[in-house]
Parts: sequence; C-alpha cells; structure tokens
Amino acid sequence: GAVVSQHPSWVICKSGTSVKIECRSLDFQATTMFWYRQFPKQSLMLMATSNEGSKATYEQGVEKDKFLINHASLTLSTLTVTSAHPEDSSFYICSARDIAGQGAIYEQYFGPGTRLTVT
Amino acid sequence: DAKTTQPNSMESNEEEPVHLPCNHSTISGTDYIHWYRQLPSQGPEYVIHGLTSNVNNRMASLAIAEDRKSSTLILHRATLRDAAVYYCILRKLDRPGNQFYFGTGTSLTVIP
Repeated sequence: GAVVSQHPSWVICKSGTSVKIECRSLDFQATTMFWYRQFPKQSLMLMATSNEGSKATYEQGVEKDKFLINHASLTLSTLTVTSAHPEDSSFYICSARDIAGQGAIYEQYFGPGTRLTVT
Repeated sequence: DAKTTQPNSMESNEEEPVHLPCNHSTISGTDYIHWYRQLPSQGPEYVIHGLTSNVNNRMASLAIAEDRKSSTLILHRATLRDAAVYYCILRKLDRPGNQFYFGTGTSLTVIP
C-alpha cells in the first residue's frame, strides 16, 4: 500500500530556533499534501493544504509566516516551524493524496507523525 | 466545516462485534463518509469509506442510514489490536481541496 514517511520522528529544539519537518510519499506521487497538528488527547487539526508548485492554503487562525510550507516536488512537502516557542510543542502529522487515485477515492495516506518539543 | 458527532469512548470484549456510531445530520448529497483510526503516537489509518450503500472490506463494514444522517462502523470481531481512536469524517465534494476535518473521535477499548 501507499506509504508516507516523515522525518524526523521526534525533535527537541530550543525556543527561538526553527525546525523543518519533511513529509515524503514513498511509492506514489502526490499533488496535494496536508499538514495537521495534534495536541495530547485531542483530535487532529488541519493546518494547511500543500499543493505542488504553488502556495499552500492555510486554515483560518494558522499563521503562514510561522508555519512555512514548501511542496517542491510530487513526493516531498516540508513544514518549517519558525521561531518556535513552547506552545508550538505538538504532534505534527502530514498526509498525501495519490495523484493516480489508487485505492479509495480521495483517500489520504498519513505519515507516522513528528513529535516536536520546544524547550 | 462538515460536522460529525461520535461518542467519546466505547468498550468491547475481545472477539465480539463492535458498532461505532456516527451522526452527521448536516451531510449533503455529495459528501463521502470516511472512517479512519489512530493508534497512540501514530498517524491515522484508513478503515473504510462510503457514499450511500453499505460497504464491506477486510477490516470492517460500514452501514449507512437511508437518510444518510448517520452511519455505523462495524468491527465484526474485535481484537486487542483494534484498540484505537476511530474518526468519522465527511469529505465534501464541493470543497476544492477535498480536505478532511476531524471530529473528536471515539476511543475504543478492547477488553481481553
């Protein structure tokens, strides 16, 4: 089946620094990838929709200058948390949609998530 | 956002069937119903999806009410590995990005 990877799986950084998280579709191409954030014991919250070759679309309330998204190829999207603060500590999950439509219609394949801790 | 309502938690005995309900009274005619599940510290995993008719796959069955305002995910024989948070999601066809908006989900506990 379709596999999505994320790197790193966990990261600890100091307040004020920036952190980049990669999301890759390993065996399929994805024109659209999605980034979610999940706090402990809560549901996933959609942050943005990442489209290959164009600007990301951010959900209301998500700061685009703080969460920079780049979708440079059909298999890679990156999320950069700039000037991270402790309140940005969370579980970040990406997903990708198969361009060829394999599997369920508009099914999203999710990555394993990245645990970010800002100290 | 497309709204779904699920019980916060449910319990089931191992090897017994589990019926996980979902209400989606604001569903429109072209909305697909998707179910995903999430194990602790992992990304969600696809379970099943449907539009109008009941659906079966190797993981589960999906029963959709005739008026489509509710649906039920059926796990035929719960195993310990089925313990997870189950999310019922409406995917709106008229939304250009076909985004998923997750509700609160149901945390399923399987009792040995």
